[in-house]
Amino acid sequence: KAGVTQTPRYLIKTRGQQVTLSCSPISGHRSVSWYQQTPGQGLQFLFEYFSETQRNKGNFPGRFSGRQFSNSRSEMNVSTLELGDSALYLCASSQWTGLSYEQYFGPGTRLTVT
Amino acid sequence: QQQVKQSPQSLIVQKGGISIINCAYENTAFDYFPWYQQFPGKGPALLIAIRPDVSEKKEGRFTISFNKSAKQFSLHIMDSQPGDSATYFCAASLFGNEKLTFGTGTRLTIIP
Repeated sequence: KAGVTQTPRYLIKTRGQQVTLSCSPISGHRSVSWYQQTPGQGLQFLFEYFSETQRNKGNFPGRFSGRQFSNSRSEMNVSTLELGDSALYLCASSQWTGLSYEQYFGPGTRLTVT
Repeated sequence: QQQVKQSPQSLIVQKGGISIINCAYENTAFDYFPWYQQFPGKGPALLIAIRPDVSEKKEGRFTISFNKSAKQFSLHIMDSQPGDSATYFCAASLFGNEKLTFGTGTRLTIIP
């Protein structure tokens, strides 16, 4: 099976702009989660979508939003970019194993805000 | 509290030695404890995971030890190899919940 794919891999934006990142989960996975990774804050949960509905949400401002399509592909959007939004944005798709959800991460999108 | 505390921040181990990374959690409702390995420029990769109903789980050279009463769990890498040099993250989540709370990471370096 192909892994989680994320596009684009690298992105440079200017403060105040908005950006949309895309994630394609592993085939058959219906849950997609997004995380932000920075050197200072580490890996932080943004939100999770299942069957096109947001099921979990982290502690990020409303500028961060997402959605999921009927084919489980997901996008996240950040509006009014700030310098502090520079980070690696990771998408993970999940499958239930009977014990818990195993999450598999994509390679991430490196966003730089200037 | 939702924190997961991880130590050490960095670790240097000789090839063939045992690498040990520790994590402690506060929320007793956490029910799933995975470990992830991350190489530069890559996303985290699931290594091994444990539920609190067992005290130890082994997969190849990787072992998780779990102490429910102390709210601690650790990753042991036996016969450490240079290819194991990476950043390791512990994490925890509530049962049936995809939201992972991560530790701060340990940068492991295996020297020849």
